Amino acid sequence: GENVEQHPSTLSVQEGDSAVIKCTYSDSASNYFPWYKQELGKRPQLIIDIRSNVGEKKDQRIAVTLNKTAKHFSLHITETQPEDSAVYFCAASPYNQGGKLIFGQGTELSVKP
Amino acid sequence: GAGVSQTPSNKVTEKGKYVELRCDPISGHTALYWYRQSLGQGPEFLIYFQGTGAADDSGLPNDRFFAVRPEGSVSTLKIQRTERGDSAVYLCASSLLAGGGYTGELFFGEGSRLTVL
Repeated sequence: GENVEQHPSTLSVQEGDSAVIKCTYSDSASNYFPWYKQELGKRPQLIIDIRSNVGEKKDQRIAVTLNKTAKHFSLHITETQPEDSAVYFCAASPYNQGGKLIFGQGTELSVKP
Repeated sequence: GAGVSQTPSNKVTEKGKYVELRCDPISGHTALYWYRQSLGQGPEFLIYFQGTGAADDSGLPNDRFFAVRPEGSVSTLKIQRTERGDSAVYLCASSLLAGGGYTGELFFGEGSRLTVL
């Protein structure tokens, strides 16, 4: 089955700097790759997603890139702000398996003012 | 309600007891998922429903875990003979579209925190 690896597990940046989180997946048939943000004690919330027919997607300060050949995808946050501090999870959805997501282990991002 | 609702938010039980966790998905969402999240880990898939039927229960750890969705809306996750290792946050999510190779956004509830003493 699908396996998703995520790194780094923790990331500390200064306010205004960029942050990059990387994930690899094992199932070449996976076709949907969302990123979720989870604040302490809260529910995971979707911040951006990308489908396998697209190489890059951007939404304001957040962008995701996908390399299908290498089976990896990355989250890029520019001009980080203290409110970006949270745990970020990448996920992959195996093709035609009902939309279930296989999550990475998470990255705890800390943005220092 | 507007979002996925889970009850109870917190449940403390003793080893060996039976527990039920409830999920009320977003109205109209046909797909419903249960995940388990241990401290410092990503959500771990347990089971997925499309309508009333369990379409994929490959993530259930053993036969002490069971879930139902009798009317295609509310779902209950049932854990028998609880063990300390079952302690975790149990997350429910729902989605408007699933299957046919298309994945829609999963909307998560706040979770039910289970503590087995």
